[in-house]
Amino acid sequence: AQTVTQSQPEMSVQEAETVTLSCTYDTSENNYYLFWYKQPPSRQMILVIRQEAYKQQNATENRFSVNFQKAAKSFSLKISDSQLGDTAMYFCAFDAYSGAGSYQLTFGKGTKLSVIP
Amino acid sequence: NAGVTQTPKFQVLKTGQSMTLQCAQDMNHEYMSWYRQDPGMGLRLIHYSVGAGITDQGEVPNGYNVSRSTTEDFPLRLLSAAPSQTSVYFCASSYSGTGYTFGSGTRLTVV
Repeated sequence: AQTVTQSQPEMSVQEAETVTLSCTYDTSENNYYLFWYKQPPSRQMILVIRQEAYKQQNATENRFSVNFQKAAKSFSLKISDSQLGDTAMYFCAFDAYSGAGSYQLTFGKGTKLSVIP
Repeated sequence: NAGVTQTPKFQVLKTGQSMTLQCAQDMNHEYMSWYRQDPGMGLRLIHYSVGAGITDQGEVPNGYNVSRSTTEDFPLRLLSAAPSQTSVYFCASSYSGTGYTFGSGTRLTVV
């Protein structure tokens, strides 16, 4: 079974600054995907960024980038130029082929990020 | 708009009542799944489906049933509601690891 650990329950960052959210995972799988999801107060789950384990290059989406360290099983999210709209819960998620043709997401418990004006 | 549609958005049930949470997607995704979100617990998988006619249990399946008669629909049934099933429920769909699209969630309260 896979586990995902987010060790920072809450974080804060000044507007326009950079913040890094941590995520580690444990798996025996070699083929998998990793995601960061954002959940604002509206409750909607929004995909922020996606990383495929077989790709060494770190994924980037505008102000969001990841530091993927496969050997260390680490997948951190960096938010640059933080904006007030980035205030949300952030969930790290792991998705592995389970052998029966299905993909199942395993989530961490989340990090609550507050962007301070 | 394309996406995942969940109904209802809010529901209050009495203990012992049954109900069905509806989920529909129009993206022709193979994979659909149901999660529950509880404070401090993240999201946990209840049931999932890899295609019409195929379902399987996730991490917390007790008290819930699912069926998948069409690609588009994946309803979640609560057989006899209990206060422990008070939660926010999310339906999600995916096309083979490309990332999951979530519905807007259903907040369920069992009294």
